[in-house]
Amino acid sequence: KQEVTQIPAALSVPEGENLVLNCSFTDSAIYNLQWFRQDPGKGLTSLLLIQSSQREQTSGRLNASLDKSSGRSTLYIAASQPGDSATYLCAAYSGNTPLVFGKGTRLSVIA
Amino acid sequence: EAQVTQNPRYLITVTGKKLTVTCSQNMNHEYMSWYRQDPGLGLRQIYYSMNVEVTDKGDVPEGYKVSRKEKRNFPLILESPSPNQTSLYFCASSSYNEQFFGPGTRLTVL
Repeated sequence: KQEVTQIPAALSVPEGENLVLNCSFTDSAIYNLQWFRQDPGKGLTSLLLIQSSQREQTSGRLNASLDKSSGRSTLYIAASQPGDSATYLCAAYSGNTPLVFGKGTRLSVIA
Repeated sequence: EAQVTQNPRYLITVTGKKLTVTCSQNMNHEYMSWYRQDPGLGLRQIYYSMNVEVTDKGDVPEGYKVSRKEKRNFPLILESPSPNQTSLYFCASSSYNEQFFGPGTRLTVL
């Protein structure tokens, strides 16, 4: 059964710093991996989707990588801003099974 | 605008009083699902549907029902809500690829 882990659970950084959020999964037979952002009490916003055949995806200051062989994905945020403060979740999709989420990393960017 | 809508957004009810949370999507997606989110437990899937009239249990289906009579709608039904169903609920839809989430329904069962 797929398990997704995100470490650390919480992270606090000063504004302007580059940072990396980690996501690991136990079953490498995934179709894709998706990163989401969630603001407190709000819904999930899709940030990046990486297909199993891809190594990385970029959107603005965000870059997500995928290494299926090691069961890892990272979300890189460049030049962090206070508006980036949120919880970031990764989720692995393996086909005809439910999307499996990590428990998220709560990011605080301090001005 | 492509979106997933849920209603109501907030609901306070009492134990045993049947309720329905509606979910609708305008992207013609075949796949829809319901999740609940609880502190420390993360997001867990309740039910999902691969297409009209096709539904299946997720990880935590007990106490919930769903139906998929039309492609765009996927209501979540709590026949006899209990306090342990107090949670934040999300509906999602996808075309077997990228998932799109609704804004959430915060349910409190007293």
